[in-house]
Amino acid sequence: AQTVTQSQPEMSVQEAETVTLSCTYDTSESDYYLFWYKQPPSRQMILVIRQEAYKQQNATENRFSVNFQKAAKSFSLKISDSQLGDAAMYFCAYRSWGGTASKLTFGTGTRLQVTL
Amino acid sequence: SQTIHQWPATLVQPVGSPLSLECTVEGTSNPNLYWYRQAAGRGLQLLFYSVGIGQISSEVPQNLSASRPQDRQFILSSKKLLLSDSGFYLCAWSEVGVSFVFGAGTRLSVL
Repeated sequence: AQTVTQSQPEMSVQEAETVTLSCTYDTSESDYYLFWYKQPPSRQMILVIRQEAYKQQNATENRFSVNFQKAAKSFSLKISDSQLGDAAMYFCAYRSWGGTASKLTFGTGTRLQVTL
Repeated sequence: SQTIHQWPATLVQPVGSPLSLECTVEGTSNPNLYWYRQAAGRGLQLLFYSVGIGQISSEVPQNLSASRPQDRQFILSSKKLLLSDSGFYLCAWSEVGVSFVFGAGTRLSVL
């Protein structure tokens, strides 16, 4: 079974600065998806960014980018120019490529604080 | 466009009472549907998933059950709630190759 590990329970960043959240995973599969989800105080789960394992190019979405290291099974999220609205829980998640009902496996999350 | 509705938003129930949480999806057919639970300060744990009407798979043995009476309806139930059932419950839908979309969640407090 796949596992996802987020070793940073909490992180803090100053407004306008850059922060990197870490994620490692364990799998024997060669094709899969990786995601970062944001959960603000409202607790709505919001997709931040997605990476297909077959793609060598790192995904980017505006101020959010990932560093995907397939061999190392590492998938970190970089937030540039941090804003107060970025304060939230961030979850790394893994999904198998195929299968009838591919499930999403989550890490335990990293709480990000953004300070002035 | 696809939307997912989940209700109620908040629920306070006594121990031993029944539970019914409902989730419906619009704008898609034959979606895969999922129930997740998030305990305080923890990540999300998959409880049940369904690939079609009447097809339910359970991930962990527990006091809860799920049903899918219609293509776009997914229900989470319990006959008798336990204190340990308290948490935040999230419904989600997905199609193969597409990211998961989550409902707004239900905060359940069992007292």
